Amino acid sequence: EVQLVESGGGLVKPGGSLRLSCAASGFTFSNAWMTWVRQAPGKGLEWVGRIKSKIDGGTTDYAAPVKGRFSISRDDSKTTLYLQMNSLKTEDTAVYYCTTDAVHLNDYWGQGTLVTVSS
Amino acid sequence: DIQMTQSPSSLSASVGDRVTITCRASQGIRNDLGWYQQKPGKAPKRLIYAASSLQSGVPSRFSGSGSGTEFTLTISSLQPEDFATYYCLQHNSYPPTFGRGTKVEIK
Repeated sequence: EVQLVESGGGLVKPGGSLRLSCAASGFTFSNAWMTWVRQAPGKGLEWVGRIKSKIDGGTTDYAAPVKGRFSISRDDSKTTLYLQMNSLKTEDTAVYYCTTDAVHLNDYWGQGTLVTVSS
Repeated sequence: DIQMTQSPSSLSASVGDRVTITCRASQGIRNDLGWYQQKPGKAPKRLIYAASSLQSGVPSRFSGSGSGTEFTLTISSLQPEDFATYYCLQHNSYPPTFGRGTKVEIK
C-alpha cells in the first residue's frame, strides 16, 4: 500500500522556521519527482515546489512567493521528503501536502499537515 | 507564469446530470494538464492526466478533452459522491499552475 505521511506542522511566529517531513512507502521513492502543494484555509491549491529524482539531476524549482525562503530536499535512504521553511509569513498559513509530481502516471498524496503562522 | 482560467467557479446540479467544467490556458500547454477532485478535509485526487487519460481506478463517467489552450472535464452522469471541488493543473511550463477551482453542489 502506498503511503505518504506528512509531519512537522504546527504554530509558528512570523519570521520563524519549520521543517516538514513526508515519509513515503509502497513505491520506488528514489525514482519519483516529488512536489509540495499548499492550500490556505478556504482557498484553492497552490504549487509550492518540486525536487527531481537524483537520477534526473535532483534539482529543485520553487514558486515565486517562497523562492529564497523555502528549500526542498530528499533522503532516498530514508524515503523521506523535506520542506524547510524559513522567514515564515502569515500568508504561508496553509495545509501542506506532499505528492508525486504531475509528470508521473501514478498520483499519490499525503493527508496534509497544517502550518499556522501567527503571533 | 501561465494563467489557468477555470469556469464556472461553482455550479448546482442534480444526480444524473451531465456536468462540464472548462479550463483555458493563457498560452499553449500541449496536453500537459490534469484534473483533480477534492472533497472537504481531504487531499486532492487526480482523475485525468495528459488532458484525456483516465487515472487508474477512476469511474468512466469522468472524461477529459482538449489540447493547446482549451480543456474540458465532463462528468456524464453526476453521482452523489461527485459533489466536490474540481481543479485543473498545467505542468507544461514552470511554475505549474492550478485553476481556481469549481465547486459542484447539489441542486
